[in-house]
Amino acid sequence: AQSVTQPDIHITVSEGASLELRCNYSYGATPYLFWYVQSPGQGLQLLLKYFSGDTLVQGIKGFEAEFKRSQSSFNLRKPSVHWSDAAEYFCAVGANFGNEKLTFGTGTRLTIIP
Amino acid sequence: GAVVSQHPSWVICKSGTSVKIECRSLDFQATTMFWYRQFPKQSLMLMATSNEGSKATYEQGVEKDKFLINHASLTLSTLTVTSAHPEDSSFYICSAPMVNTGELFFGEGSRLTVL
Repeated sequence: AQSVTQPDIHITVSEGASLELRCNYSYGATPYLFWYVQSPGQGLQLLLKYFSGDTLVQGIKGFEAEFKRSQSSFNLRKPSVHWSDAAEYFCAVGANFGNEKLTFGTGTRLTIIP
Repeated sequence: GAVVSQHPSWVICKSGTSVKIECRSLDFQATTMFWYRQFPKQSLMLMATSNEGSKATYEQGVEKDKFLINHASLTLSTLTVTSAHPEDSSFYICSAPMVNTGELFFGEGSRLTVL
């Protein structure tokens, strides 16, 4: 069975500082990996996804993530965070292209301080 | 971009009543939609897969008689929480994959509070 671990429940970063959110997955085959962002009381917005090819994936809002098969990781990064980046971030793994059944991590809440 | 809309955004009901939540794909057809439940400060748990024209597929541990799902058309799926109890209070989120791209679009979510 597939699973996703986000070891950091809550991270606080100063505005303008760099950010890295960790995600580890467990899946028997090549995974389809996703990062979503959720603002309070809102649905989820896709930041980026990895299916195959280049292991460094660029997403929206200046985010990027790197797939490392040897470490079973798909960490999300941003070189300089903005106050508007404060939100909940979810890593997810899917079994196929249509990503019908996504397994989500427990999420990491990002707080930005001035 | 593609949009999935949920209605209502929030609802408060009395214990024992039933509540219907709608999920619509506004600019694309969705033969499949997914219903998730999210408890406060927790992750999303897949409840069921809604299939247009056929019965929904429920995840293990989800009561199908409690959470009725109907996928009446290619753009609409409904989740009805029957005989609601306070423990059913939660944030319910639907999603729909776009057939051509496989990308999954999420609704804004519906917050249910059962008194």
